[in-house]
Amino acid sequence: AQKITQTQPGMFVQEKEAVTLDCTYDTSDPSYGLFWYKQPSSGEMIFLIYQGSYDQQNATEGRYSLNFQKARKSANLVISASQLGDSAMYFCAMREGGSGGGADGLTFGKGTHLIIQP
Amino acid sequence: DAGITQSPRYKITETGRQVTLMCHQTWSHSYMFWYRQDLGHGLRLIYYSAAADITDKGEVPDGYVVSRSKTENFPLTLESATRSQTSVYFCASSGSGPYNEQFFGPGTRLTVL
Repeated sequence: AQKITQTQPGMFVQEKEAVTLDCTYDTSDPSYGLFWYKQPSSGEMIFLIYQGSYDQQNATEGRYSLNFQKARKSANLVISASQLGDSAMYFCAMREGGSGGGADGLTFGKGTHLIIQP
Repeated sequence: DAGITQSPRYKITETGRQVTLMCHQTWSHSYMFWYRQDLGHGLRLIYYSAAADITDKGEVPDGYVVSRSKTENFPLTLESATRSQTSVYFCASSGSGPYNEQFFGPGTRLTVL
């Protein structure tokens, strides 16, 4: 079973609209971190936002927020007031605490290609 | 310069040749990682290292060798390159535990002919 699932291969959104990128995850480890990265066409991986499994509040970083629903195992990224520069690939990733026996690196989803239209 | 660097940025090689990709970080992070990125697969973990002289396999380790004699360096070697190893390779580093973000290098685009 996939550990990180991103069900939207591509999305088109009008500039200034809010965007929600879906991410569901699967782990039996009680301790884990969830991350979102942005990859523009230039190729670099840019960290956006992080949510810890024990965090009670949803994470926010500027225009980015993470809608964390632990019981549903979802960690959706919300971008408010989208801009043309938000056009990129977006990856959801998880790092487990280790008690589940998994590797210590990030497990990535396959990504969502977001295109912001003027 | 502070940060994480990779070299070379682009490499073309032939099947059967040995290739080494370099990764250097200046943050003294304990953890370092190698990922490969292929269309349709996202990023997949090849190897990681928790500290100098400690390495472990990730999801796709076959055909790769790593070493970490110094905390700041984590080279990845393809002992006998194959066409299936054509990919973009990313090095990353972080502090320990699940709550630390990973910082990525700029990537190395490797083509095996």
